[in-house]
Amino acid sequence: DTGVSQDPRHKITKRGQNVTFRCDPISEHNRLYWYRQTLGQGPEFLTYFQNEAQLEKSRLLSDRFSAERPKGSFSTLEIQRTEQGDSAMYLCASSRPLPETQYFGPGTRLLVL
Amino acid sequence: AQSVTQLDSQVPVFEEAPVELRCNYSSSVSVYLFWYVQYPNQGLQLLLKYLSGSTLVKGINGFEAEFNKSQTSFHLRKPSVHISDTAEYFCAVGANNQGGKLIFGQGTELSVKP
Repeated sequence: DTGVSQDPRHKITKRGQNVTFRCDPISEHNRLYWYRQTLGQGPEFLTYFQNEAQLEKSRLLSDRFSAERPKGSFSTLEIQRTEQGDSAMYLCASSRPLPETQYFGPGTRLLVL
Repeated sequence: AQSVTQLDSQVPVFEEAPVELRCNYSSSVSVYLFWYVQYPNQGLQLLLKYLSGSTLVKGINGFEAEFNKSQTSFHLRKPSVHISDTAEYFCAVGANNQGGKLIFGQGTELSVKP
């Protein structure tokens, strides 16, 4: 069991640039989630996939954010025209069908200058 | 909609003392509940979960929690803490009608002092 992996672990970018993060879930998990965590807060839900279908998006996910899971395996989260308010830890989690445990990756810490 | 309140933002405690981290939730439907631990600059690690059945659940590292439906609580306890338990602890609630997403509390920082 290799666990959930995320790449990169850290990203520093300038305001206005685009960034893309990758998440590789546990292989037999068909559900994949993205959360955002700002300093001193609990994670907040962004979106989730069941296989390749994106089933729900939070209103936190503005039109600058897009997520994909093209083959139902890994997922990418892209942020276009980054803003300083996008600075946060972006967490990915995966699970089997409900009501199973979500297993989290180590996160990608984004800093927008 | 579901919500979670962690009643203490910081809990300082001496090593080998007992500790309780409090979590209350609100929901109009059946829920399942989790406690996760987060060490600095890391992701979340599952401590324990309540899906159904016995209301007293035991987790890793000697932690346990009790699901109390009437009081809508899921408090986390450990009879004797270690320095290595110093971390941020998050309570989370999920429900079948919210598509599997988890709603997290704001976290409790547990600080164990020698």
